[in-house]
Amino acid sequence: AQSVTQLDSQVPVFEEAPVELRCNYSSSVSVYLFWYVQYPNQGLQLLLKYLSGSTLVKGINGFEAEFNKSQTSFHLRKPSVHISDTAEYFCAVPYYGGSQGNLIFGKGTKLSVKP
Amino acid sequence: DGGITQSPKYLFRKEGQNVTLSCEQNLNHDAMYWYRQDPGQGLRLIYYSQIVNDFQKGDIAEGYSVSREKKESFPLTVTSAQKNPTAFYLCASNREGVNYGYTFGSGTRLTVV
Repeated sequence: AQSVTQLDSQVPVFEEAPVELRCNYSSSVSVYLFWYVQYPNQGLQLLLKYLSGSTLVKGINGFEAEFNKSQTSFHLRKPSVHISDTAEYFCAVPYYGGSQGNLIFGKGTKLSVKP
Repeated sequence: DGGITQSPKYLFRKEGQNVTLSCEQNLNHDAMYWYRQDPGQGLRLIYYSQIVNDFQKGDIAEGYSVSREKKESFPLTVTSAQKNPTAFYLCASNREGVNYGYTFGSGTRLTVV
């Protein structure tokens, strides 16, 4: 069965420093992977997605992620963070229970950017 | 602009009462979903619907009910049988299949008083 593990529940970082948010998955089927961002009291917004092709995926707000099949990882990175990047980030993978699918999400990583 | 509208944004309920959360989309999406979010637990699937007049239970359906009478609408009722209903509820939809991800609404925060 598919599952997603986000290894860090909180990541504090100073402004303009690089950041990596880690995500590992397990899947017995073709892999599609997503990162979403959630600002306080708001819904989730798609940052980027891997469906196929190049393993380095670029998303919005300067974020990128690399799909690594051998390590079953899809870590999210940004070379220089801003205060406005403070939010919670979720990694997700499709789950195909029965004949219908839905996304299963990791427990989230709270990124806190300090001045 | 197309999107998903959840209402109300904040909702207060007395213990023992049923309450209905609204979710409307004008994206012409076939599939719609309800998730519950609690701090540190990520998102957990309550119900989902792939077509009108059909829906499936998710991982935590007990104490909740849904209907899908129109393609655009997927309301969630939190019943008195839900023992711990205080949470943030998120509605989502997609058209192209789950492989392509979801569009989310802005959420409803339900508090039991």
